[in-house]
Amino acid sequence: QSVLTQPPSVSGAPGQRVTISCTGSSSNIGAGYDVHWYQQLPGTAPKLLIYGNSNRPSGVPDRFSGSKSGTSASLAITGLQAEDEADYYCQSYDSSLSGSNWVFGGGTKLTVL
Amino acid sequence: QVTLKESGPVLVKPTETLTLTCTVSGFSLSNARMGVSWIRQPPGKALEWLAHIFSNDEKSYSTSLKSRLTISKDTSKSQVVLTMTNMDPVDTATYYCARMGELGQFDYWGQGTLVTVSS
Repeated sequence: QSVLTQPPSVSGAPGQRVTISCTGSSSNIGAGYDVHWYQQLPGTAPKLLIYGNSNRPSGVPDRFSGSKSGTSASLAITGLQAEDEADYYCQSYDSSLSGSNWVFGGGTKLTVL
Repeated sequence: QVTLKESGPVLVKPTETLTLTCTVSGFSLSNARMGVSWIRQPPGKALEWLAHIFSNDEKSYSTSLKSRLTISKDTSKSQVVLTMTNMDPVDTATYYCARMGELGQFDYWGQGTLVTVSS
């Protein structure tokens, strides 16, 4: 059971817009810790997609955007392309009485129809 | 450019100790402000953070695995080493090392190394 909750799967047709949610709690996202997003293509290492809630590293298309509000965050992908089919993970930091850890969501598989 | 590469055994037996090495280039472990983490991913499952070491040698461990993990670094060799004791088949996973950026993001990743635990 992941600390950050993501939908197992989302899908969309080429050209459409999809969003992936990441729901946390008052000990992680709600505590003000930044949220980061990763794209993992089959058989490859994760790649940083969004950092600091809404910033794109150099080379990441502006079709990808991130936002954060309260105890949740979202990744939006516009102009969906076949090459966007991948697994997407959110990540943040969690600090509670039981300890502090960097944490990931359970991942969301994006299917381009 | 920044690169990280994991190395270690592909197969370990149950109860054995796993030792993995991450060799980095393009940055120094002594001034990589946010340090290097180990992260694993069982086949078909999600990512799981394991351990982190900062440039000042401060260490942090996953609460659930803390008793089994040790992370260390050799700055002169540009290496970060992770040991995990008492390996079990459920520890079968691809193990990644990754550099952490200033906002806590993992900005560079190694290619990963698959470790299988089986007798």
